[in-house]
Amino acid sequence: GAVVSQHPSWVICKSGTSVKIECRSLDFQATTMFWYRQFPKQSLMLMATSNEGSKATYEQGVEKDKFLINHASLTLSTLTVTSAHPEDSSFYICSARPSGGYGYTFGSGTRLTVV
Amino acid sequence: QKEVEQDPGPLSVPEGAIVSLNCTYSNSAFQYFMWYRQYSRKGPELLMYTYSSGNKEDGRFTAQVDKSSKYISLFIRDSQPSDSATYLCAMSAGSGYSTLTFGKGTMLLVSP
Repeated sequence: GAVVSQHPSWVICKSGTSVKIECRSLDFQATTMFWYRQFPKQSLMLMATSNEGSKATYEQGVEKDKFLINHASLTLSTLTVTSAHPEDSSFYICSARPSGGYGYTFGSGTRLTVV
Repeated sequence: QKEVEQDPGPLSVPEGAIVSLNCTYSNSAFQYFMWYRQYSRKGPELLMYTYSSGNKEDGRFTAQVDKSSKYISLFIRDSQPSDSATYLCAMSAGSGYSTLTFGKGTMLLVSP
């Protein structure tokens, strides 16, 4: 079945530094990937839609200069949290939909803690 | 009113019980309905995918959609401790790369 790999699974960084999260579709090509953020006991909130070869589309209220998305190939999208602050601490999850498939496949998520 | 409402639980049941999980929604444009299972600190895993109204069965899981009532359900038969997880309903208006709208998730605890 379709597999989405996300790396790292957890990361701790100092306030003010940047963190890059990778999302790879392992056995299918994904022209579109999605990035979500999930706070404890909350639902998944869509942050942005990542499009291969073009600029990402950000949801209202999401700072595009803070959350940089690069979708450079059909199997890789990256999310970089720039100048991270403690309030950016959250669970970040990516997803993609295989062509001809049903539903969306999610990565295993990245738990970011900013200290 | 939120677009998708889901009771956060927790819902505690004994092993072997039949579990009923539900979501209501307000957007009549939703056509595609999904249930995801999410274990702690993991990404969601797709369980069921249905289009429009009706029932769909897969093993111990049955998904029901009633578009007239804007109400969807997931039934789990013969529940197992390994079913303990958070169950998220999700829905979208289109089958393509439409964005998903999620419920908050219901935490299910199945005790041995």
